[in-house]
Amino acid sequence: DIVMTQSPLTLPVTPGEPASISCRSSQSLQQSDGYNYLEWYLQKPGQSPQLLIYLASNRASGVPDRFSGSGSGTDFTLEISRVEAEDVGVYYCMQGLQTGLTFGPGTKVDLK
Amino acid sequence: EVQLVQSGAEVKKPGESLKISCEASGYSFTSYWIGWVRQMPGKGLEWLGIIYPGDSDTRYGPSFEGQITISADRSTSTAYLQWSSLEASDSAIYYCARRRVVVGLTSGFDSWGQGTLVTVSS
Repeated sequence: DIVMTQSPLTLPVTPGEPASISCRSSQSLQQSDGYNYLEWYLQKPGQSPQLLIYLASNRASGVPDRFSGSGSGTDFTLEISRVEAEDVGVYYCMQGLQTGLTFGPGTKVDLK
Repeated sequence: EVQLVQSGAEVKKPGESLKISCEASGYSFTSYWIGWVRQMPGKGLEWLGIIYPGDSDTRYGPSFEGQITISADRSTSTAYLQWSSLEASDSAIYYCARRRVVVGLTSGFDSWGQGTLVTVSS
């Protein structure tokens, strides 16, 4: 199995300020097609998870452009340019390279 | 509008069987994979397995192979997750989600069900 790690595991944020979450995989998520099979999800309190980013840097439909994904190989980052109060919740990265999909442990984002 | 509507909460005893459902609407059921994800109380997300209703191709996570069965009924656009003998450790919220894969490229789990709470207790 590909093991996913995230840091930090908790992230207090200030509305209007930027925020960043790191995700690392135990092996490269870059396929021979050049794409990186890394996804980001947000689970808001009491809700189902929702897709934010796929293929490392593609925003899902309806996701605000303050969210961006970057990285390649084994190191990835989710950035929020200006945090809003509605962005609180747990953020998960997930590798989609190998069946036996695996999630990171999650990063809990809350307001300072 | 794409919707995945899951069956209601269940309370079962250890050793009992269970089948929960995920009814899809608003898109071509046979053109997307449907995956199942577990969330144990207060914990993170775990991927259980996935099925392609178009040809019933099914894959399981290594920890769940032999423990669960995933199936789909094209006639009712419904996917299922079932257990033959529940354990207390199966208590969790179970989510279904659809996933598009075209020529190997995926656009992620882009639509999720509301979750089904399963409680297993004697």
